[in-house]
Formats: sequence, structure tokens, C-alpha cells
Amino acid sequence: ETGVTQSPTHLIKTRGQQVTLRCSSQSGHNTVSWYQQALGQGPQFIFQYYREEENGRGNFPPRFSGLQFPNYSSELNVNALELDDSALYLCASSPLTGGGEAFFGQGTRLTVV
Amino acid sequence: DQQVKQNSPSLSVQEGRISILNCDYTNSMFDYFLWYKKYPAEGPTFLISISSIKDKNEDGRFTVFLNKSAKHLSLHIVPSQPGDSAVYFCAASNYNTDKLIFGTGTRLQVFP
Repeated sequence: ETGVTQSPTHLIKTRGQQVTLRCSSQSGHNTVSWYQQALGQGPQFIFQYYREEENGRGNFPPRFSGLQFPNYSSELNVNALELDDSALYLCASSPLTGGGEAFFGQGTRLTVV
Repeated sequence: DQQVKQNSPSLSVQEGRISILNCDYTNSMFDYFLWYKKYPAEGPTFLISISSIKDKNEDGRFTVFLNKSAKHLSLHIVPSQPGDSAVYFCAASNYNTDKLIFGTGTRLQVFP
């Protein structure tokens, strides 16, 4: 059973650019959630995908968007990057919606300069 | 509006003693609570959880206590080991969603 994997592990982008982060969910998990963790803070919920549909969104602007594919892997896209987008982006998968623990990947460290 | 609060940013405990990490929440709709441990350069790792229908859940050295009336939960680690040194996050959710609301974390250091 493979765990949650994210790519890339580190990324440096320039303000105004666009970025795509990728996540492969744990085998058998059909729900993927994305979180942003700024320095010194806890992870903050961005959005969740269940069976390729968005299933809940946190307080993030529309320039944060996502996709889930038939194999349940997922992408997080951020347009018009701002300096404050610099953070650790975490992907978590879970076997079903409705309670239960989520399993996290190691994260992608995004730095916007 | 911080719905989940961990008011102690750090805690230092001697090896073999008990570590107690605390967490408070404000939203009475939360019905599932979790603790995650995070090492540097790694994602959070699930540790233990508790449903709101219980007041205690135990797993080896780790016990979580829930006081619904006080909207307070705590994680007890007995005995503490140096390998427990990490940042611990408390998280809460509503059973109808998988959206986790995290606290800001407590850095635990266990020294010999």
C-alpha cells in the first residue's frame, strides 16, 4: 500500500506566475484535500475533492483551483502568485467523506519571490 | 476567528515523565477530534482521534481526553520519549465533512 506522495518537494516561483502542484492519493482513497501551512501556523483547509468533484472550499480566493482525476490523484493550481502564497502545501487523502482521519503527504514547499 | 486553539506554543518534558498537550475549541458543531504529529520536512502523521460520543480514547502511550462542556481536549503521552519530540497539532471536524480545522501547534521537546 503506497502512501500519499506529492511533487515537487520544493519550488521557487516569481510573483505573478502560475504554479501546479501534484498529489497521488493513498491506494483505495477517493477523497483528496489540500491545505496551506504558513510558517508558525497550523494547516488551513483550501478545498476538497471527492470523486472528481469539489466537495467543500475554505476561505481562499478563486485563483486557487484544483482538479481530481479518475485515479483519484489531484492537482492544485495557483494563478497570479503573491508573496503571501509562500507556504508548505499539504495534500491529504481519506477513504470516504464523513469523519475519519486524513493521511498527509510530505508537502510541497513553495517560495514566491 | 481561531476555532481551534493551542495556547502553549512549546513544552519541554523530561524523558519518562508525562507530557500533557492542551487544545480548546469554540465550535460546538465539531464532533470529531484528532491529534497529528509533525517532524520537520515531513507531513503531519495521524496519532490518535476521539469522537464526541466518548470522553477518553487510549492507544498505547497516548491517551486523548475530551471535555465537551468545557470544549477542551488534551493529549497525554506516558512515558515521554526523546523520539516524541515534534510539533503536535490538534484538529477538529464535523462528521458531515472531512474538512479539518487545525490549531497552531505545540512544539514538544523531550530531553534525557
